[in-house]
Amino acid sequence: DVVMTQSPLSLPVTLGQPASISCRSSQSLVHSNGNTYLSWFQQRPGQSPRRLIYKVSNRDSGVPDRFSGSGSGTDFTLKISRVEAEDVGVYYCMQGTHWPALTFGGGTKVEIK
Amino acid sequence: QVQLAESGGGLVKPGGSLRLSCAASGLRFSAYFMSWIRQAPGKGLELVSYIGNTGSSIYYADSVKGRFTISRDNAKNSLYLQMNSLRADDTAVYFCTTVSDSSINYWGQGILVTVSS
Repeated sequence: DVVMTQSPLSLPVTLGQPASISCRSSQSLVHSNGNTYLSWFQQRPGQSPRRLIYKVSNRDSGVPDRFSGSGSGTDFTLKISRVEAEDVGVYYCMQGTHWPALTFGGGTKVEIK
Repeated sequence: QVQLAESGGGLVKPGGSLRLSCAASGLRFSAYFMSWIRQAPGKGLELVSYIGNTGSSIYYADSVKGRFTISRDNAKNSLYLQMNSLRADDTAVYFCTTVSDSSINYWGQGILVTVSS
């Protein structure tokens, strides 16, 4: 299975400041059809995960534009341009390229300093 | 809007069985692949199993193969997970999700399964 490695494990951020989370895969996530199936999820405390980004950089409906995804191949990044209090939670990346085993990163906990 | 509602969780002894159900609404259920994803207490996310829209394509994680069975009833808009020979390390919140375009787009609220004597 493809191993997804996130860093950092914990990310203390000042309100209004940017934040960046890295996700690396053990194999390229470029599918034979040309797409790259890398998604990002947010899990607020006590809630189910919610998808923010799919196929590297596409924001889901209702997701604030302060969230952006980028990257290619094996290296990917989720950026929050200005962290707000409601952004506290754990963020996960997930690869869907190497079907059937969808795999998640270990998670990055974003907290306010 | 899309709603996925899990039920059937609870406390069970090691070696016991449970059947989880997921009732889906607000979507054309028969068009979606569906999956069960679990999260052990304080841990990350793990794909347990998924099933194709007609039920003909099924995948299990190695950790549950031979013990868990996924199924669906498109007429009832429902997804199921039969869990047998439960172990302590199966203790987790189990989420019912849709799978679309190689991603997870909708999640249920989750149901807790506790395996303990």
